[in-house]
Amino acid sequence: EVVLTQSPATLSLSPGERATLSCRASESVNVHLAWYQQKPGRAPRLLIYDASNRATGIQARFSGSGSGTDFTLTISTLEPEDFAVYYCQQRSYWPLTFGGGTKVEIK
Amino acid sequence: EVKLVESGGGLIQPGGSLRLSCAASGFSFSSHTMSWVRQAPGKGLEWVSGISGSGGTTYYTDSVKGRFSISRDNSKNTLSLHMNSLRAEDTAVYYCAKDYYESSAFYEYFDSWGQGTLVIVSS
Repeated sequence: EVVLTQSPATLSLSPGERATLSCRASESVNVHLAWYQQKPGRAPRLLIYDASNRATGIQARFSGSGSGTDFTLTISTLEPEDFAVYYCQQRSYWPLTFGGGTKVEIK
Repeated sequence: EVKLVESGGGLIQPGGSLRLSCAASGFSFSSHTMSWVRQAPGKGLEWVSGISGSGGTTYYTDSVKGRFSISRDNSKNTLSLHMNSLRAEDTAVYYCAKDYYESSAFYEYFDSWGQGTLVIVSS
């Protein structure tokens, strides 16, 4: 199965700062990667699909890039509601797999 | 409005069986691949199983193959997960999730999730 490794595990930033999250795949997944945001006690929310496309209703401060094995989620200016855990997920191969997550916390 | 409502979770002894259900509404259920995704307490997300819209193709993560079985009833807009030989490591919140549809294409990502149902495997 494709293993997705997210880094860093925790990112400590202040509101207004830029967040850069990484997801690395154990083999090429082309652009078939998504990003999710999850807040405590809530189901995940789809942010980005196929590496760089914002899902319906997602704010422009969220952007994704990458292809092959290396992907990045960027939050241009952190808002208070953006502090959460972020996961990547690939759809190139079954079984579908998620990364271990990056927690974005308030510094 | 898309709605997914899971049920069937609970406390079960190791080796036992449980059946989870997900009632879907607000979309064309039979058109969408559906999945179960779980999350152990304090841990990350793990995709468990998926089923095509027709029900003809099923997928499983290795750790549940041979123990779990996914099915769907398109006449009742219901997704099910039959779980046998349960282990402590199956303890998690189980989410029902719908694939993403955008610009006339389906993607095996998840844009709608239920509230989850908690399964605890313990003696």
